[in-house]
Amino acid sequence: GNSVTQMEGPVTLSEEAFLTINCTYTATGYPSLFWYVQYPGEGLQLLLKATKADDKGSNKGFEATYRKETTSFHLEKGSVQVSDSAVYFCALSPYTGNQFYFGTGTSLTVIP
Amino acid sequence: DAGVTQSPTHLIKTRGQQVTLRCSPKSGHDTVSWYQQALGQGPQFIFQYYEEEERQRGNFPDRFSGHQFPNYSSELNVNALLLGDSALYLCASSPGPGDREQYFGPGTRLTVT
Repeated sequence: GNSVTQMEGPVTLSEEAFLTINCTYTATGYPSLFWYVQYPGEGLQLLLKATKADDKGSNKGFEATYRKETTSFHLEKGSVQVSDSAVYFCALSPYTGNQFYFGTGTSLTVIP
Repeated sequence: DAGVTQSPTHLIKTRGQQVTLRCSPKSGHDTVSWYQQALGQGPQFIFQYYEEEERQRGNFPDRFSGHQFPNYSSELNVNALLLGDSALYLCASSPGPGDREQYFGPGTRLTVT
């Protein structure tokens, strides 16, 4: 079946610290992988995506590389800001069908 | 270009009642999916509509039903509400059923008392 396992939070970092949020997946076929961000009281916003093995998605200083051999899609950012405080969701969309499978989310708080 | 819009923003209902939530997809999108996000959890897929038909369904009971209109907008109906139906309901649209990039609306917060 399809599933996403995400690093549990909450995560608290000081401003300018390095961020890693781990995500591993199980999927049949060749899924696309996504990171979504959810700010308080809002819906989900697409942060970045990768559609095939070894692709690197990047946006707003965040990066994630699609690793087929380790079935992982870890999110990284070199220097976090207070404005990055949010909940981050890893998700996959299988090769067949358009249904998304989400992880449980990782809450990030960045303190000045 | 308007993104995905949902209404209402918040809703409070009593157990046993029925509720209808509405979604307008992003311009140019013809496929709508609905998700339920319980507090502290990731979104769970309810179903997807394309060409006014339900194309895929997640593990939700028949109390959850939907509809898609010719203008691609969609409704989610939940009958016989339970306390456990309290959640954020998210609508997502995409340019087609085979397109794997989905755009999410802000959600409707449903509270069942």
